[in-house]
Amino acid sequence: NAGVTQTPKFRVLKTGQSMTLLCAQDMNHEYMYWYRQDPGMGLRLIHYSVGEGTTAKGEVPDGYNVSRLKKQNFLLGLESAAPSQTSVYFCASGQQTQYFGPGTRLLVL
Amino acid sequence: AQSVSQHNHHVILSEAASLELGCNYSYGGTVNLFWYVQYPGQHLQLLLKYFSGDPLVKGIKGFEAEFIKSKFSFNLRKPSVQWSDTAEYFCAVNAFSNQGGKLIFGQGTELSVKP
Repeated sequence: NAGVTQTPKFRVLKTGQSMTLLCAQDMNHEYMYWYRQDPGMGLRLIHYSVGEGTTAKGEVPDGYNVSRLKKQNFLLGLESAAPSQTSVYFCASGQQTQYFGPGTRLLVL
Repeated sequence: AQSVSQHNHHVILSEAASLELGCNYSYGGTVNLFWYVQYPGQHLQLLLKYFSGDPLVKGIKGFEAEFIKSKFSFNLRKPSVQWSDTAEYFCAVNAFSNQGGKLIFGQGTELSVKP
């Protein structure tokens, strides 16, 4: 089992560009999450999903959209990237215990 | 609002020293508690978790944590640290609510172990 995987690993964007981060899990989990990690702030929840076709806002949802068309995939979209979205993005899956992916490092210039 | 507080932002220890990292949370109901570790350049890995039962929980790599309900605390301990324990440690709380299994994370504690 691969667990939780994320693509890409690293990306540089210019302000205003768009991109999609992909998260995939092979553990048949219903719950999936997107977090961002910034120095001194721990991890903050962006959006989450409690099942295929459902999404909900987390703590810091502004500027992001998500989709959960398939149970195993959870996509995070940035429609118009801003420098404030420079961060490391982690996907996780699981309900009682969450398992994390390797992260995507995003730099917005 | 639920919150998690880690008291130490950066801890520096010598090898073989004992470690205790503090974690307090604010939530009056039933909680699940976690400690995650993030080694440099890597993703978060689960160290240990508490759901119910014995409040002293043992995890991987010799770590343990004690849940003290009256103090809303879940401190992480290790009797003798190694250089390989250098990492960032995150306490997290999953408070039962109607908002799924969301985790609330503390700010993290960076541990540096000197050889």
